[in-house]
Amino acid sequence: DTAVSQTPKYLVTQMGNDKSIKCEQNLGHDTMYWYKQDSKKFLKIMFSYNNKELIINETVPNRFSPKSPDKAHLNLHINSLELGDSAVYFCASSRGQGRAQPQHFGDGTRLSIL
Amino acid sequence: KQEVTQIPAALSVPEGENLVLNCSFTDSAIYNLQWFRQDPGKGLTSLLLIQSSQREQTSGRLNASLDKSSGRSTLYIAASQPGDSATYLCAGQGGSEKLVFGKGTKLTVNP
Repeated sequence: DTAVSQTPKYLVTQMGNDKSIKCEQNLGHDTMYWYKQDSKKFLKIMFSYNNKELIINETVPNRFSPKSPDKAHLNLHINSLELGDSAVYFCASSRGQGRAQPQHFGDGTRLSIL
Repeated sequence: KQEVTQIPAALSVPEGENLVLNCSFTDSAIYNLQWFRQDPGKGLTSLLLIQSSQREQTSGRLNASLDKSSGRSTLYIAASQPGDSATYLCAGQGGSEKLVFGKGTKLTVNP
C-alpha cells in the first residue's frame, strides 16, 4: 500500500546506455514531480506535471525526457547516460498545484553509471 | 532566485535534549515553508508545512516557526530521542510552484 512507488530501487549501468525509471502514486494526486539528489545530498527539482501536463521544466539536458501516461504515473527516460547522471532520483506527488499542499516522496532510485 | 540555507550542517545531542534547527531563505515572497525528514536510503517524509499567513505549526514534539520578514524558519524538537536521528530538510515554495531545498541538517541523538 505504498503511496509513491518507484522502480527500480537501484540501477547500475554503463555510460552511453538508455534507461527508464518508473513512478506511480496511489494517492489520487494531480501533480507529480521528479527531483535529483546529487552526491552532496543537494535536492533539486527537475520536472513537474499536473494532470499529465508539463508545468515545471528546470534546466535539464534534453537527454532527460519525462512521460506521464496518466495522472497516477510519471516516468523518467534518460538517453545516453553520462557519469554525471549518477545520483538518487526521487519522485513525488501532491494534491493539485495548491501552494499549501505537502509533497509525498518515493524512496528514490539510486542510479550509478560505470 | 530563491536560496535556502540550513545551519548547522550536522548536530549531535544527547537523548532528552531540546534542540533547534535553523533555516534561512533569501526571497521572502514564499507561499509556504516545509520541513522534511530523510532517513538513510529513504525518501523524504513531510513533517510540517507552514503557509505564508501562519507563524507556526505543531505536530507532537515538533514545532516549526516562520518569520517571513527576517527570512527565517526554525524547527524545534522537544525531548529528543534516538529515533529522531535523520537528516532534516527545509524547503520554500514560491510563485513558480517548485520547492527550493536547503542542504539539510544531519541530526544524531545519542542514547
